[in-house]
Amino acid sequence: GENVEQHPSTLSVQEGDSAVIKCTYSDSASNYFPWYKQELGKGPQLIIDIRSNVGEKKDQRIAVTLNKTAKHFSLHITETQPEDSAVYFCAAWMDSSYKLIFGSGTRLLVRP
Amino acid sequence: DAGVTQSPTHLIKTRGQQVTLRCSPKSGHDTVSWYQQALGQGPQFIFQYYEEEERQRGNFPDRFSGHQFPNYSSELNVNALLLGDSALYLCASSPTLVREETQYFGPGTRLLVL
Repeated sequence: GENVEQHPSTLSVQEGDSAVIKCTYSDSASNYFPWYKQELGKGPQLIIDIRSNVGEKKDQRIAVTLNKTAKHFSLHITETQPEDSAVYFCAAWMDSSYKLIFGSGTRLLVRP
Repeated sequence: DAGVTQSPTHLIKTRGQQVTLRCSPKSGHDTVSWYQQALGQGPQFIFQYYEEEERQRGNFPDRFSGHQFPNYSSELNVNALLLGDSALYLCASSPTLVREETQYFGPGTRLLVL
């Protein structure tokens, strides 16, 4: 079935430290993996994405890695800042069904 | 460039009533998807509209229906509301011919059913 598992559910780090969030997907046909940041009272904001023909992508302090064999992908945030505090969702796109399957979210708290 | 907009921002209804939510996609986008996000959970796919037709549907009952207009805007209708329909309803748009999987979300409509 279509499923995305996300860990951890909560993550607390000191400002300046790194944060890593991991996801696993079930459908080997998935070929696009976006990450969204959702702040309180707002809709999800696309922050970075990766396609199945790429193993790693970086954008300033954030990076995403993909292991197609293991069906794992991860979000890495370096030099965390208090404004990085939010809920982060991973997702996997199903070409056959035109939909995104979301993980359950990770609440990140960056302590000043 | 305006992003995805949704209206209303908040809505309170009672059980059994019907509700209509509206969405305007990002400029240049022709595909609209609707998601339901319960408190503390990830968004769940309801359905997607392209060329004014429902192209795909998630695991939601027929009480959930939608429409897409020629200008690509969309409506989500929910009939016979249940308490469990209380959630944040998100609209996402994407450009089908370019990158249909790259979806941009609106701020959502928070629905409370009493």
